[in-house]
Amino acid sequence: QVQLVQSGPEVTKPGASVKVSCKASGYTFTSYAMHWVRQAPGQRLEWMGWINVGNGNTKYSQNFQGRVTITRDTSASTAYMELSGLRSEDTAVYFCARGWFTNAWYEDWFDPWGQGALVTVSS
Amino acid sequence: QSVLTQAPSASGTPGQRVTISCSGSSSNIGSNTVNWYQQLPGTAPKLLIYSNNQRPSGVPDRFSGSKSGTSASLAISGLQSEDEADYYCAAWDDSLNGLWVFGGGTKLTVL
Repeated sequence: QVQLVQSGPEVTKPGASVKVSCKASGYTFTSYAMHWVRQAPGQRLEWMGWINVGNGNTKYSQNFQGRVTITRDTSASTAYMELSGLRSEDTAVYFCARGWFTNAWYEDWFDPWGQGALVTVSS
Repeated sequence: QSVLTQAPSASGTPGQRVTISCSGSSSNIGSNTVNWYQQLPGTAPKLLIYSNNQRPSGVPDRFSGSKSGTSASLAISGLQSEDEADYYCAAWDDSLNGLWVFGGGTKLTVL
């Protein structure tokens, strides 16, 4: 069955970077896209960006002002999200979610989702 | 930045029909389709409705979606205890460089 399995929880310090992985199985990895969404405690879901897994094209939310980088390793069927310049407000659960359109991120839907990875930023 | 507005809570008794609303603007719901997600406690969100009113396979037909102008609605009929969850609407927003925006979520309680 289609499954996205994410890396484990991370505790990191302000100013550092974190890289979360998302391993896909049960489908042709390069035929779909991947979105990243985060959920801070008590906050709404927040979209971070998208990658066309086939060609590596990306689109990011301006809200992250160049701090986020989404990549993929097709040989490992794994997508990655790296967030730099971490601050306490970045403490959140980070989700990957498969996108169904490789060139229409704006008409897409997210299905399925990974289990989430808790990133805690604390000094 | 545009966001979508949902009532924070809703409730109903088993068997009832409940409607959850999502209000947006011309830059998001008014010009793009709406998706709905269900998040059970302690789990990842799950796609419930896509493209305004389409159900993925496996989602019961008790769940239905609709859109009119800059608002969208999720209806749940024949309410069941396992429907107790948080429900989020989402739409693409064309403002600035474009981004997906979500509602704040509606916590549905089955009394």
